[in-house]
Amino acid sequence: GQNIDQPTEMTATEGAIVQINCTYQTSGFNGLFWYQQHAGEAPTFLSYNVLDGLEEKGRFSSFLSRSKGYSYLLLKELQMKDSASYLCAFQDSNYQLIWGAGTKLIIKP
Amino acid sequence: GAVVSQHPSRVICKSGTSVKIECRSLDFQATTMFWYRQFPKQSLMLMATSNEGSKATYEQGVEKDKFLINHASLTLSTLTVTSAHPEDSSFYICSARGPRETGELFFGEGSRLTVL
Repeated sequence: GQNIDQPTEMTATEGAIVQINCTYQTSGFNGLFWYQQHAGEAPTFLSYNVLDGLEEKGRFSSFLSRSKGYSYLLLKELQMKDSASYLCAFQDSNYQLIWGAGTKLIIKP
Repeated sequence: GAVVSQHPSRVICKSGTSVKIECRSLDFQATTMFWYRQFPKQSLMLMATSNEGSKATYEQGVEKDKFLINHASLTLSTLTVTSAHPEDSSFYICSARGPRETGELFFGEGSRLTVL
């Protein structure tokens, strides 16, 4: 079967670093996405990993280990505007996206 | 990046009426668009895959006669909620795969439907 799991909620402090984990199980895999979604808005694309390793993009980095079915999104130098839900999703063998429930990130001053 | 525009962003209607939501890819052609529904504090739920020039593919449990999807051109897909009821009140979001190889989805702004 297929499943994907990520924490429901996390809290971090402004200026700090936070890591949001995502684990998945699937027989066919064609990449993993991270999206950011502010309350009441549509998701926006953050990153895509299809090979193992770390992809860095400014304050945000995403890591993938295909053998472990594991990914994380790392946010550095947290800003209040980073308060949002972060959705991970993988593409299966049919290129269907399987979505996690999202992690609500709360940033405190 | 690729732009997807969705309209209207908010709509309030009476129970029993029909509501049409438009999704347009503004700077690229999208042979496939996706319609999602999202309830408060929940993740995206794929309702259907809209295919240009052919019938949409609905996910299990989604009533195709209630949620009519038309993808008449390479840049426009519409979702019509027919005979809307209060339980249809939700956030509806469309998306399309962008033109790059990574195939990331670009989302419309979303449409918040409130049925009174």
